[in-house]
Amino acid sequence: QVQLQQSGPGLVKPSQTLSLTCAISGDSVSSNSAAWNWIRQSPSRGLEWLGRTYYRSKWYNDYAESVKSRISINPDTSKNQFSLQLNSVTPEDTAVYYCARETTVPYFQHWGQGTLVTVSS
Amino acid sequence: DIQMTQSPSSLSASVGDRVTITCRASQSISSYLNWYQQKPGKAPKVLIYAASSLQSGVPSRFSGSGSGTEFTLTISSLQPEDLATYYCQQSYRTPRTFGQGTKLEIK
Repeated sequence: QVQLQQSGPGLVKPSQTLSLTCAISGDSVSSNSAAWNWIRQSPSRGLEWLGRTYYRSKWYNDYAESVKSRISINPDTSKNQFSLQLNSVTPEDTAVYYCARETTVPYFQHWGQGTLVTVSS
Repeated sequence: DIQMTQSPSSLSASVGDRVTITCRASQSISSYLNWYQQKPGKAPKVLIYAASSLQSGVPSRFSGSGSGTEFTLTISSLQPEDLATYYCQQSYRTPRTFGQGTKLEIK
């Protein structure tokens, strides 16, 4: 049974970096049949896909254009987890952030518990 | 980006009613359409994937249909525990995009 456990701060100051981690159990971040995603949800933007990392003989990343200049999603094979870094945050980045596993079908079969991140001084 | 439009945005129905939610894609997405249920304070949970495949463990009163640009989610007999917001999502290409949601209330 795949489980995703998120961790990271719930409060970030404007202009600083938002950092979250998603620990994986029941699968491998290096799996050739999964992709590891970050999605956020806010009242103003709804559910917004931010990006993903996945391994298919080498590592790949895809990012949403809306955050492409500020985002980095990285795997950590030693800890079987992946992370989100979002730079230069503003109050508009306030949202609940989810990590999610996408299968090869594809759909988001497994989700983390969600982390409310507030951007405020 | 592929835009996903759901209708209605909200609906109220009685226990036992048949409920249908529609999702329209801005371009053809074949059958790469998924439906999720989200209850307050929880992460979305997949109900239907690939337009019409029922996720394991999901009650059979949920069903999905459609292809191309028009899709529907049907609840054949509404139950009190179906109070939630429902989202469609396309997985045809990146960026993955979601509908704006349909909030389902029980009369």
